[in-house]
Amino acid sequence: GGIITQTPKFLIGQEGQKLTLKCQQNFNHDTMYWYRQDSGKGLRLIYYSITENDLQKGDLSEGYDASREKKSSFSLTVTSAQKNEMAVFLCASSIGDSDYTFGSGTRLLVI
Amino acid sequence: QQKVQQSPESLIVPEGGMASLNCTFSDRNSQYFWWYRQHSGEGPKALMSIFSNGDKKEGRFTAHLNKASLYVSLHIKDSQPSDSALYFCAVSMGTGGYKVVFGSGTRLLVSP
Repeated sequence: GGIITQTPKFLIGQEGQKLTLKCQQNFNHDTMYWYRQDSGKGLRLIYYSITENDLQKGDLSEGYDASREKKSSFSLTVTSAQKNEMAVFLCASSIGDSDYTFGSGTRLLVI
Repeated sequence: QQKVQQSPESLIVPEGGMASLNCTFSDRNSQYFWWYRQHSGEGPKALMSIFSNGDKKEGRFTAHLNKASLYVSLHIKDSQPSDSALYFCAVSMGTGGYKVVFGSGTRLLVSP
């Protein structure tokens, strides 16, 4: 079976810092996604990519950059971390609109 | 823009009881529907999908879809403490836009 791995699991950053989150999958899925999960707000789409080197903005893309240099990996950059920001960032992959497979998340805290 | 709303926000049921989770969506062109379950410290996992109107049963779980009423639900029979989790409804237009919209979740607690 395949696996989707997010690193790091926990990330503590300082206000204004540029922070990068990484995601790797070995399902050979074409499409990969980054979601942000805040308590009480469900999952909000930041970026997605339908193939290598493709990037599509989601509803929450402002303040973030993404990169898909290989089919198996998708990284997300917080361009300037906001003080007191606390959220879980979830990476997922799929074939088209089929079931999404999620990683276990990166928990971000900005101090 | 598609709006997906779940109710209730949280739910407590006794072990062995029935849990009923509700989800409404706004776009009549929605085609595909999923329920995802997220245990604490993990990512969400797809629990079941439903694409046609009516009921779909998988073990203790039954999903119900009524596209005309813009409504999908999940019923968990004989609830177990291991069912305690955050449940998300997810809706797709199926247009190849690769955008599935998730609801804000229902937190289920099954008390022993």
